[in-house]
Amino acid sequence: AQKVTQAQTEISVVEKEDVTLDCVYETRDTTYYLFWYKQPPSGELVFLIRRNSFDEQNEISGRYSWNFQKSTSSFNFTITASQVVDSAVYFCALSQYNQGGKLIFGQGTELSVKP
Amino acid sequence: DAGITQSPRHKVTETGTPVTLRCHQTENHRYMYWYRQDPGHGLRLIHYSYGVKDTDKGEVSDGYSVSRSKTEDFLLTLESATSSQTSVYFCAISDEVYMNTEAFFGQGTRLTVV
Repeated sequence: AQKVTQAQTEISVVEKEDVTLDCVYETRDTTYYLFWYKQPPSGELVFLIRRNSFDEQNEISGRYSWNFQKSTSSFNFTITASQVVDSAVYFCALSQYNQGGKLIFGQGTELSVKP
Repeated sequence: DAGITQSPRHKVTETGTPVTLRCHQTENHRYMYWYRQDPGHGLRLIHYSYGVKDTDKGEVSDGYSVSRSKTEDFLLTLESATSSQTSVYFCAISDEVYMNTEAFFGQGTRLTVV
């Protein structure tokens, strides 16, 4: 079975703190893709990153970084020096190769960054 | 931003009535999806389409049907709305799924069944 687990339902931090959002996935496929989406209070879903199963390089984009570890089936997301604008619900998702692009989402982590 | 428009954006309907939600895209993407978002469940796939008149069921398809007569339009119909179908519905589109490129989402439709 395929599954994505985001164990942290809610996280609250103070501005400028670093925060890591956890994502653990389950799949039997050797080829798969992992994604992070952001849902700000306005409600839309914003794509952040896509990673395929063959590429375990960590990625950094500004204050955002992602740590993909196949050995632990995890794809964690870190925000450095958090800002109030980072307050949102963040979703991790899994898609399997040749399955029509269907996404399996985690339950989401609500991040609140307080000034 | 990807050209995806959902209509209506908000709807309140009574139990037992049929409801149709529309998703319109201007990107000419082949694949289209309907998801529902509920607290504690993230987003779950209802139905998806891999071409005109080609559709398939997702994880939570009971009580829903879809149609796609044109590349740009994907309709979701609740045949007889129930309170359990109160949710936020998102349409998504994707292009090259063999490489699993990212899906782009519409702004969502908030449906309340009373």
